[in-house]
Amino acid sequence: DADVTQTPRNRITKTGKRIMLECSQTKGHDRMYWYRQDPGLGLQLIYYSFDVKDINKGEISDGYSVSRQAQAKFSLSLESAIPNQTALYFCATSGTETGEQYFGPGTRLTVT
Amino acid sequence: GDSVTQMEGPVTLSEEAFLTINCTYTATGYPSLFWYVQYPGEGLQLLLKATKADDKGSNKGFEATYRKETTSFHLEKGSVQVSDSAVYFCALSYANAGGTSYGKLTFGQGTILTVHP
Repeated sequence: DADVTQTPRNRITKTGKRIMLECSQTKGHDRMYWYRQDPGLGLQLIYYSFDVKDINKGEISDGYSVSRQAQAKFSLSLESAIPNQTALYFCATSGTETGEQYFGPGTRLTVT
Repeated sequence: GDSVTQMEGPVTLSEEAFLTINCTYTATGYPSLFWYVQYPGEGLQLLLKATKADDKGSNKGFEATYRKETTSFHLEKGSVQVSDSAVYFCALSYANAGGTSYGKLTFGQGTILTVHP
């Protein structure tokens, strides 16, 4: 089984709708991240969490919110989706020593 | 702030050709450097890393050397295969003196590599 899972894998939604993307991990890591990938822009950090009670904004947090329900679960919400939030979203986890991050398979979100 | 710049893509090569993907960085301190690879339809996975100047990271025939004097971490492979077709990302991250990672990765924009038979 995959160490980092994301649901859903694909989602099409309409402008103004609320949507939640979910991430679960079995690696036992305290640190979790949400990234957005747009063509030609690499990955941009939306939010990150170093433990259940520690949530931090990344580079592009406007329009997004997160919830860390447990060590293994980190959800990303779009309260009112807009078309320029159409992108590929990745969840990742890491330990504290190496800096290496482990990525989920991604969620492709389309906002029409 | 810190930044990572990769060579413009896409890069198209024939099988068994030599590969170089350039990566340079701007950093206020002494980061660790990484190459991540994203195969079609998948998430990113770590390809190799180097944590200090002059370190060489290597994996699956790929190599990169941490050059502090030129602030570079170029990715090379002597003979590419069709299966190497993917998007390659250079990234940096910091750790404190005790080795605890600060966690956040700064990515370059990615370079698409296509290898033809």
